[in-house]
Amino acid sequence: DTGVSQNPRHKITKRGQNVTFRCDPISEHNRLYWYRQTLGQGPEFLTYFQNEAQLEKSRLLSDRFSAERPKGSFSTLEIQRTEQGDSAMYLCASSDSRAGASHAGELFFGEGSRLTVL
Amino acid sequence: GQSLEQPSEVTAVEGAIVQINCTYQTSGFYGLSWYQQHDGGAPTFLSYNALDGLEETGRFSSFLSRSDSYGYLLLQELQMKDSASYFCAVRDEYSGAGSYQLTFGKGTKLSVIP
Repeated sequence: DTGVSQNPRHKITKRGQNVTFRCDPISEHNRLYWYRQTLGQGPEFLTYFQNEAQLEKSRLLSDRFSAERPKGSFSTLEIQRTEQGDSAMYLCASSDSRAGASHAGELFFGEGSRLTVL
Repeated sequence: GQSLEQPSEVTAVEGAIVQINCTYQTSGFYGLSWYQQHDGGAPTFLSYNALDGLEETGRFSSFLSRSDSYGYLLLQELQMKDSASYFCAVRDEYSGAGSYQLTFGKGTKLSVIP
């Protein structure tokens, strides 16, 4: 068990460029979440997958954001035409929905991908 | 809508006990979680309460009162390494019982001093 892995860890880009982040969840976990965190705030939910199906999207997630989990394993989060307000830490988390696998309120987070938009 | 309130900062002395409170307003509440996050690190799960009462895990305990929409995290025998941000988070009707999505508070920055 190597934990949740995210890359790149840091990304600096110019406004208007597209960026993509990758998340590799814990291998046996069927649920995968994307959160965004800014300085001094708690993580804010963006979207979540169960296996390859995207089941929920936050109203925070504008049309410029898209996420995929094509084979129910790793996931990508793409931000198109980045804006300065997109600067944040993008956190990925995973969990196992099987009965007894973990606490209902337990998510396993990666260390995040920090985006800076200039 | 949903809202969670917790103190923004708490300072405590090494070896002491500290309590971090969390009050919430939400619909269809399912449970309250607590997470720890060190600067630059990932949030890590500490505890989850779905029912009223106290859950104890080593030096950490968490309490929930559903009728008061209130919970707290209790840290005993504080150590310097406990300096971190602590977040409460709810599973609620917005999340859905099958969602496991959490809504986080803004966090409490705990500073442990010698």
